[in-house]
Amino acid sequence: AQSVTQLGSHVSVSEGALVLLRCNYSSSVPPYLFWYVQYPNQGLQLLLKYTSAATLVKGINDFEAEFKKSETSFHLTKPSAHMSDAAEYFCAVSKGGTASKLTFGTGTRLQVTL
Amino acid sequence: DTGVSQNPRHKITKRGQNVTFRCDPISEHNRLYWYRQTLGQGPEFLTYFQNEAQLEKSRLLSDRFSAERPKGSFSTLEIQRTEQGDSAMYLCASSLGGEKLFFGSGTQLSVL
Repeated sequence: AQSVTQLGSHVSVSEGALVLLRCNYSSSVPPYLFWYVQYPNQGLQLLLKYTSAATLVKGINDFEAEFKKSETSFHLTKPSAHMSDAAEYFCAVSKGGTASKLTFGTGTRLQVTL
Repeated sequence: DTGVSQNPRHKITKRGQNVTFRCDPISEHNRLYWYRQTLGQGPEFLTYFQNEAQLEKSRLLSDRFSAERPKGSFSTLEIQRTEQGDSAMYLCASSLGGEKLFFGSGTQLSVL
């Protein structure tokens, strides 16, 4: 079975500060890992995905994540937070091959303050 | 490309009633997925279709739940004899070949 754990249900950063959202995974097979963002009253939008190619993955809106097998982690970062980044962020894992059956974490709500 | 469309956006029903939700995927996407999301949790996989074939169902999908995709285009999710525990956001997503999922805005179900 596969699972992801997101540490911190709420994260607050100042505008312009580094964003770090944590995700650790558990998988019996090489995983595919994803980060999704959900804005209020909208569907989930894919930020980036790791599919066993480069360990450092770049996504939209300057987000990136690094796959670290030794730490079973896939943390999401952004160098400088913007007010528009305030949203709910979900880490997800699938068995590799396709994203057909995603297992999501419980989410981290990012708040950006002035 | 108009995105994944879900109707209705909100549904309030009384316990014991049947409800049906509709999902219209992005045209030409061959895969369609249903997920359920409760407050404070991430989405949970319910089922998915490739064209009109239902390929996998989660154990979360009790006998009261049924999903169809009769012509490989839109899909419906029906819940019979609703219970208060069915209250959740029901999300639909579609993809071409399973690589990248595009999610709809969901149907929020409230069972009174």
